[in-house]
Amino acid sequence: RKEVEQDPGPFNVPEGATVAFNCTYSNSASQSFFWYRQDCRKEPKLLMSVYSSGNEDGRFTAQLNRASQYISLLIRDSKLSDSATYLCAGRDNYGQNFVFGPGTRLSVLP
Amino acid sequence: NAGVTQTPKFQVLKTGQSMTLQCAQDMNHEYMSWYRQDPGMGLRLIHYSVGAGITDQGEVPNGYNVSRSTTEDFPLRLLSAAPSQTSVYFCASSSTGGSGYTFGSGTRLTVV
Repeated sequence: RKEVEQDPGPFNVPEGATVAFNCTYSNSASQSFFWYRQDCRKEPKLLMSVYSSGNEDGRFTAQLNRASQYISLLIRDSKLSDSATYLCAGRDNYGQNFVFGPGTRLSVLP
Repeated sequence: NAGVTQTPKFQVLKTGQSMTLQCAQDMNHEYMSWYRQDPGMGLRLIHYSVGAGITDQGEVPNGYNVSRSTTEDFPLRLLSAAPSQTSVYFCASSSTGGSGYTFGSGTRLTVV
């Protein structure tokens, strides 16, 4: 099993929709998780951290489910500018580095 | 505050040539790493460093060398370029407090 897995999508949603992505991880000891946003031909940029208590930043909500070993990202009221690839990251099985999922591509359509 | 600076942005090499990808950060981050990103494969860790003078291998280290003589710089050397090393290379850094990575803008490398 890969350390971090994501549904690659693409997710095509209309503007204003709510969309959710899940990301599963294998390292049950990992304490740190993050969501990154990557635009086409650009570097990944940190979107938000994922805490046990959840994390909300405007239209974005990140959740951690330790029992089922997945993290989620919810985007409400999608904007055209949200179109990007969303990468999740968690600690590798040695706890030293971050392992990234392959990314989920989101297209928000007018 | 420049963050993480990578050079060059684009490079074309012939098979067998060597080159160095440069990475510098001005955030006084102890941790630095190199990833490559290929379609369908996501980001894969090549080498990383937890501080000056300390480096270690990641998931795909073969064909690459690194050194960390200062906190700021973490160059990646391709010893003898192969077409399989055609990829986008990202340098990343972070503090040791568990915060997320800051990535450089990437180097697009093509080996012909």
